[in-house]
Amino acid sequence: GESVGLHLPTLSVQEGDNSIINCAYSNSASDYFIWYKQESGKGPQFITDIRSNMDKRQGQRVTVLLNKTVKHLSLQIAATQPGDSAVYFCAENMEYNAGNMLTFGGGTRLMVKP
Amino acid sequence: DAGVIQSPRHEVTEMGQEVTLRCKPISGHNSLFWYRQTMMRGLELLIYFNNNVPIDDSGMPEDRFSAKMPNASFSTLKIQPSEPRDSAVYFCASSPTNTGELFFGEGSRLTVL
Repeated sequence: GESVGLHLPTLSVQEGDNSIINCAYSNSASDYFIWYKQESGKGPQFITDIRSNMDKRQGQRVTVLLNKTVKHLSLQIAATQPGDSAVYFCAENMEYNAGNMLTFGGGTRLMVKP
Repeated sequence: DAGVIQSPRHEVTEMGQEVTLRCKPISGHNSLFWYRQTMMRGLELLIYFNNNVPIDDSGMPEDRFSAKMPNASFSTLKIQPSEPRDSAVYFCASSPTNTGELFFGEGSRLTVL
């Protein structure tokens, strides 16, 4: 029979608008969080990160907010451009005996309309 | 820097055949990861090496899958025998010691008919 694929949440925005992509993480012991961008046919690429001792990290166009109380992470992209169209993954990192373990969320597809 | 290099980029094979995927991590990175990406399950960690030693292979689906890292600059992921449900994009990623950031290759798209 036909298998049902993973349905990615999709955010559709107009070029020039701001985008907010949300992510809920699972482990309160996670100490480091990363956002990755994956364009079609390519591997995930690092965008930005934030450590658990911070609640905000602001870049030129990209801002990460971390709310540890509710285990929520968001990625804000200002003045969204067509080149921002991609799937965005949040990842949480936890240190354990052997090293670091990154666990990825399911991803959000961002579509930018020109 | 050349980044993480994977080969082949695409492979189409028939059920029952052996598949070998290759990865060259970024020079100086001590950790290497193999991930599988499918529409059904997203990005799944298969196995993780630190200083060429397999640390966590709990994500390897079954005995048909094996991975090796004979030296710091090369790793293989082997599937024998392959099955249609193994069809996916397989990513290799490397990381410097003591950081969580992963640097991904472009992936190997495997189709098993």
